[in-house]
Amino acid sequence: DQQVKQNSPSLSVQEGRISILNCDYTNSMFDYFLWYKKYPAEGPTFLISISSIKDKNEDGRFTVFLNKSAKHLSLHIVPSQPGDSAVYFCAASLRYSGGGADGLTFGKGTHLIIQP
Amino acid sequence: EPEVTQTPSHQVTQMGQEVILRCVPISNHLYFYWYRQILGQKVEFLVSFYNNEISEKSEIFDDQFSVERPDGSNFTLKIRSTKLEDSAMYFCASSDERAYEQYFGPGTRLTVT
Repeated sequence: DQQVKQNSPSLSVQEGRISILNCDYTNSMFDYFLWYKKYPAEGPTFLISISSIKDKNEDGRFTVFLNKSAKHLSLHIVPSQPGDSAVYFCAASLRYSGGGADGLTFGKGTHLIIQP
Repeated sequence: EPEVTQTPSHQVTQMGQEVILRCVPISNHLYFYWYRQILGQKVEFLVSFYNNEISEKSEIFDDQFSVERPDGSNFTLKIRSTKLEDSAMYFCASSDERAYEQYFGPGTRLTVT
């Protein structure tokens, strides 16, 4: 049961260009969304989050867009840098919905490769 | 910068043995979590812990698993009798609010032979 889907296993982008990573979800109760970055042999590193009452959140080179009606979010990285090469995970939670659900539901990840 | 630490980084054990994975969450955080990632699959939630008790657990977290906060700093995951399918990366995480940004440790790779 894939409640959070990242349909692109990998994405290759030239250095300096925009990277756009996509994520879809099926559970309309999700109300808080996060993006994590993961290097090999390390744990996921929190990047940016957005609550369902917003449609955009920006932090430096990273911007997350949320389209609730389409149940879709995306992460934009501008400009892309070599150090951005990693696996990016989309995650969702029921932060405000309550029901005692604390855990994050993750997508399978997208491997972003920044080419020089 | 505060971080979540985990020990050991790699644990090899024989099927049927008990293992304890250890974590030190970020000191002012109140919520603690365990996740696992089987090779090639997604990160999966196992359990959350708050106020010295389990707050939520997934269907993966069966009677073979237990968690404990034995003192003010450590948070442990015990697998009572390991199976081959328990082989995975186990990540500990912590947050200062429920279901908010969770900060992950580097993981423990558990190999069951």
